[in-house]
Amino acid sequence: GNSVTQMEGPVTLSEEAFLTINCTYTATGYPSLFWYVQYPGEGLQLLLKATKADDKGSNKGFEATYRKETTSFHLEKGSVQVSDSAVYFCALLSGNTPLVFGKGTRLSVIA
Amino acid sequence: EADIYQTPRYLVIGTGKKITLECSQTMGHDKMYWYQQDPGMELHLIHYSYGVNSTEKGDLSSESTVSRIRTEHFPLTLESARPSHTSQYLCASSGEGRGNYGYTFGSGTRLTVV
Repeated sequence: GNSVTQMEGPVTLSEEAFLTINCTYTATGYPSLFWYVQYPGEGLQLLLKATKADDKGSNKGFEATYRKETTSFHLEKGSVQVSDSAVYFCALLSGNTPLVFGKGTRLSVIA
Repeated sequence: EADIYQTPRYLVIGTGKKITLECSQTMGHDKMYWYQQDPGMELHLIHYSYGVNSTEKGDLSSESTVSRIRTEHFPLTLESARPSHTSQYLCASSGEGRGNYGYTFGSGTRLTVV
């Protein structure tokens, strides 16, 4: 079946550090891939998406590239801010089945 | 501006009570979902619906039930709440099209059963 594996946290970085959160997937067919972010006390928000191989999703300085050859969709940001502290979820959508999430990675950015 | 609304945001109730968590969306989405989020953050799909009068159970076994009588409304009911039901419940919806825009989530209901 479909599944998503993302790196376990928590991840703690200093402000302006480079961020990478790894995400790999297993799916039949050609899934769409997503990153969601959850700020404290809130629901999930779509951060970025990619619907086909080699697509790059980007938003708010975050980027992720859909790599079919490595079945990966790693999230990156060049310079994190304290306001980026949140939980990040990688997810995939394939066929008519509901969205499948990774277990989430908690990011803490300290000033 | 939120297009999917969950009420209440917080709820503390006693064991054995019947409760209904409300979820409504104004986007005309056909598909709606309920996720349970444990303290370790992981999300578990408990129910989903692909249209009016259509509901399915998700990956995580749940004692809750759902109904979908109107497109915009997808309430979740617990007939007899127990402390093990303490969790955050997130509602989401999605429109037609193959993964075009992912899901839109509500702000969640944090339920505590004492």
